[in-house]
Amino acid sequence: GAGVSQSPSNKVTEKGKDVELRCDPISGHTALYWYRQSLGQGLEFLIYFQGNSAPDKSGLPSDRFSAERTGGSVSTLTIQRTQQEDSAVYLCASSPRGVDRPNQPQHFGDGTRLSIL
Amino acid sequence: TQLLEQSPQFLSIQEGENLTVYCNSSSVFSSLQWYRQEPGEGPVLLVTVVTGGEVKKLKRLTFQFGDARKDSSLHITAAQPGDTGLYLCAGDHFSGAGSYQLTFGKGTKLSVIP
Repeated sequence: GAGVSQSPSNKVTEKGKDVELRCDPISGHTALYWYRQSLGQGLEFLIYFQGNSAPDKSGLPSDRFSAERTGGSVSTLTIQRTQQEDSAVYLCASSPRGVDRPNQPQHFGDGTRLSIL
Repeated sequence: TQLLEQSPQFLSIQEGENLTVYCNSSSVFSSLQWYRQEPGEGPVLLVTVVTGGEVKKLKRLTFQFGDARKDSSLHITAAQPGDTGLYLCAGDHFSGAGSYQLTFGKGTKLSVIP
């Protein structure tokens, strides 16, 4: 497809379980972002990948959160030992931006709605 | 830390009314982007303003970037029910990690009542 694809669209799991969220960015986009959005609120930055550079993990809320990006394309966000406060919509975005290219728009997927019981 | 204060947080108006959403910061941004998000979907870019004092119009929507590139506003004329949604402003800035990133406001949830 032409847009950013995220899966699953919905995930319900029990507290303490691990979850993996997947993001397929737009082909050719070098930048990939993960955000967390609580109900009807703004976006909280989690992690940023740019090409082959080391990711910017400064937004990850705890060491239970991690993310990988394989081959510069698909990314997975993993949350270990989930807690109820992890319930939110997790959004992925990609962008053609590089370090020397500001003002580039971000293209978002429709998110994964995560519910922790 | 770059912060963007967006106001109002909620706005409920009648069809045909005008409204303005504000986005303010003490920080300077290289650009300001406005997104609109509908339930169950990701945000979609409406416009990017880059130059201080810049005004852009998109049909009934008018976007303005402050002269000092610290604030922005979105004005909607004669609002329609189809304008209902969450409006997000995002400031583009060079982060400490050596790359450009967006800082998002908390959003304005707009409801236009027919």
